[in-house]
Amino acid sequence: EIVMTQSPATLSVSPGERATLSCRASQSVSSNLAWYQQKPGQAPRLLIYGASTRATGIPARFGGSGSGTEFTLTISSLQSEDFAVYYCQQYNNWPPYTFGQGTKLEIK
Amino acid sequence: EVQLVQSGAEVKKPGESLKISCKGSGYSFTNYWIGWVRQMPGKGLEWMGILYPGDSDTRYSPSFQGQVTISADKSISTAYLQWSSLKASDTAMYYCARETYFDYWGQGTLVTVSS
Repeated sequence: EIVMTQSPATLSVSPGERATLSCRASQSVSSNLAWYQQKPGQAPRLLIYGASTRATGIPARFGGSGSGTEFTLTISSLQSEDFAVYYCQQYNNWPPYTFGQGTKLEIK
Repeated sequence: EVQLVQSGAEVKKPGESLKISCKGSGYSFTNYWIGWVRQMPGKGLEWMGILYPGDSDTRYSPSFQGQVTISADKSISTAYLQWSSLKASDTAMYYCARETYFDYWGQGTLVTVSS
């Protein structure tokens, strides 16, 4: 089973600043990596798939990069609605298609 | 518009059985994988398993193999997650979602197991 490790567990950033979230896979997942955003009381929402392709309707301030074992989600200028928990997920090797443990992005 | 609509919240006792549902609409149900995800209270997302309605190919996470059954009725575009004997530790929110990377999600079904 591939283990996905996200860092940091909590990230404190001021609105308008840039946020960088990391996700590492225990073995290569090629570019089969997705990022999700989850707000309290809501289902997760797909942000990025294929490591760098924005999902439909996702603002351009969200960007994904990386391949193999190291991945990054960057939010270029944080808006108030971006404070949430973010998860990465590999869908290269199954079962299971593992999730990371999440990064909570909070207002500084 | 693609939608996944899940059945309502359930309160059950330990040992009882349960089947929750996820109805897809707005797309060809048989051509996309449907997966299930568990989220225990205050915790992260856990991938449980996935099914391809076109041929019923089903894959389970080792953590959930034998604990749950995933199925689908393609005639009514509905996927199911079922338990034969619930435990208190099954208390969680359960989401269905479409495809291998989950592009559309259901609203979630809260399952509470308590004596």
